[in-house]
Amino acid sequence: AQSVTQPDIHITVSEGASLELRCNYSYGATPYLFWYVQSPGQGLQLLLKYFSGDTLVQGIKGFEAEFKRSQSSFNLRKPSVHWSDAAEYFCAVGAGSGYALNFGKGTSLLVTP
Amino acid sequence: EPEVTQTPSHQVTQMGQEVILRCVPISNHLYFYWYRQILGQKVEFLVSFYNNEISEKSEIFDDQFSVERPDGSNFTLKIRSTKLEDSAMYFCASSVSGGRGALREYEQYFGPGTRLTVT
Repeated sequence: AQSVTQPDIHITVSEGASLELRCNYSYGATPYLFWYVQSPGQGLQLLLKYFSGDTLVQGIKGFEAEFKRSQSSFNLRKPSVHWSDAAEYFCAVGAGSGYALNFGKGTSLLVTP
Repeated sequence: EPEVTQTPSHQVTQMGQEVILRCVPISNHLYFYWYRQILGQKVEFLVSFYNNEISEKSEIFDDQFSVERPDGSNFTLKIRSTKLEDSAMYFCASSVSGGRGALREYEQYFGPGTRLTVT
């Protein structure tokens, strides 16, 4: 069965520090992979996506993610975190039919001064 | 920039009542979706809709749920007889396409959600 795992429920980083949010997936074929961000009271905003090709993808707000097939991972990174990055981050996998997104449980990011 | 809108932002209803959650997808999008997020849990897929019919649904989407596109702009989720466990944030999303076409067209744009509280 397909699954998406975000091992870290909460992460706290200092402003200006680097960030890595982990995502592992279990899926038979080459998946569509997404990272979404949700700020309080807001909807889900797409940060970046991977379908094929270059395994390092760039997104909005200075985020990037790397697809590693051997590790079934799609970790999200940012070299220098800003206070405005505090939010909930969701990894998602496009399901086989191409319609449904299968989400992880999310990682809550807290940024300290 | 075009966006998905949802109304109301918060709905409180009594158990057993019917509720209709409304969404206005982005105007040139053809695929529409509902997801829900129970507090503290992950976002779960409910249903996708294309060409006036359901394309795919999850096991959560049972007979108490229905979807409709009553006119050219709205997309609604109806819950016929609400239960306490239906309390959740409900997200609407839309995309240009839904299949494995150009990835950009598969991107799902989400609305801000409707928080449904069943008492």
